Amino acid sequence: GNSVTQMEGPVTLSEEAFLTINCTYTATGYPSLFWYVQYPGEGLQLLLKATKADDKGSNKGFEATYRKETTSFHLEKGSVQVSDSAVYFCALSGSGSARQLTFGSGTQLTVLP
Amino acid sequence: GAGVSQSPSNKVTEKGKDVELRCDPISGHTALYWYRQSLGQGLEFLIYFQGNSAPDKSGLPSDRFSAERTGGSVSTLTIQRTQQEDSAVYLCASSFARVELGELFFGEGSRLTVL
Repeated sequence: GNSVTQMEGPVTLSEEAFLTINCTYTATGYPSLFWYVQYPGEGLQLLLKATKADDKGSNKGFEATYRKETTSFHLEKGSVQVSDSAVYFCALSGSGSARQLTFGSGTQLTVLP
Repeated sequence: GAGVSQSPSNKVTEKGKDVELRCDPISGHTALYWYRQSLGQGLEFLIYFQGNSAPDKSGLPSDRFSAERTGGSVSTLTIQRTQQEDSAVYLCASSFARVELGELFFGEGSRLTVL
């Protein structure tokens, strides 16, 4: 079945540091890949997505590239801010009749001023 | 409101009692999902509704869990004879039909604590 493995947290960085959160997946077919973010006290929201191999999703300075050869979708940001402190979830869409997202366990990011 | 609304936001119950959790999706969204988020765990898929089709119940952990969606809109997740391991945050999400596009909109969740 489908699965997503995320880098374990928590991750603590200083402001303006470089961020990488690793995500690898196992899936049949050609899933779409996503990063969702959950800010404190809020619901999950879509951060970025990529729907086919070699696509790069980007939003709010975050980027992730769909790498089929390594089955990865690592999240990166060149310079994090305190406001980026949140929990980040990698996810993939099912194919065929499995119309749901499979999520990783989440990575807690704390950015210190 | 414009977003997915869930109630109650917090529920504390005693072991063995039944609970109902409500989700009001975004107007016009045909797909509705329930997920469970346990402490330190990822999101666990529970059930999926799409329009008038039969729901995908493949994620329900036991027959104590059930859900319905009335009139293609509001959904209720019911947990019967609650157990301590049912303690979690229950998340509802809605979307337009094609989930491959990843546009799931989540509510803030209902935190269930079973004593």
